[in-house]
Amino acid sequence: SQQGEEDPQALSIQEGENATMNCSYKTSINNLQWYRQNSGRGLVHLILIRSNEREKHSGRLRVTLDTSKKSSSLLITASRAADTASYFCAARDTGGFKTIFGAGTRLFVKA
Amino acid sequence: NAGVTQTPKFRVLKTGQSMTLLCAQDMNHEYMYWYRQDPGMGLRLIHYSVGEGTTAKGEVPDGYNVSRLKKQNFLLGLESAAPSQTSVYFCASSLGGSLETQYFGPGTRLLVL
Repeated sequence: SQQGEEDPQALSIQEGENATMNCSYKTSINNLQWYRQNSGRGLVHLILIRSNEREKHSGRLRVTLDTSKKSSSLLITASRAADTASYFCAARDTGGFKTIFGAGTRLFVKA
Repeated sequence: NAGVTQTPKFRVLKTGQSMTLLCAQDMNHEYMYWYRQDPGMGLRLIHYSVGEGTTAKGEVPDGYNVSRLKKQNFLLGLESAAPSQTSVYFCASSLGGSLETQYFGPGTRLLVL
């Protein structure tokens, strides 16, 4: 089974609203990353948070990490139509070189 | 600087045929990866490489082989394609180390009939 699992599977909001996506994972991690995928394209890295960090910001993105609950959240503030995409969390485990991706959250931002 | 490129973009195969997917990166990255993405699922790691001449199995390696003869190239082979291998294949590369960001190619859509 996959290590990262996102919630919700799909999210539809109005432009200007905030979007929150959650991710859970199963084992000890080195870091957790969030990626965006536009339809028919490859994944693009958004932000990385290390296991010893609790919160990180990058522009309109805010990521939190709770290692005790093995969960992370991605907040996109003041969303735009261009934010419409699928968002994946990816957990890098401590045991090796692999990064395990979740199934993704599909975000639709209505103009 | 093209980043990560993949060849071909789209291919249709008949069951039992073979093919090779090519991934190339021009960022001098040590690590390279092959993933497959199926509807409703995240990316699953097929094989990866931590340097020229090395390869290792990922989550779903069965039915695939890989080679990393040159640092910039990572080849994924299907010796005898099966309908279950219909998927979108993504290659990625990273500098190396535990905090690295992966850079993805645009993907190859493969349909096995």
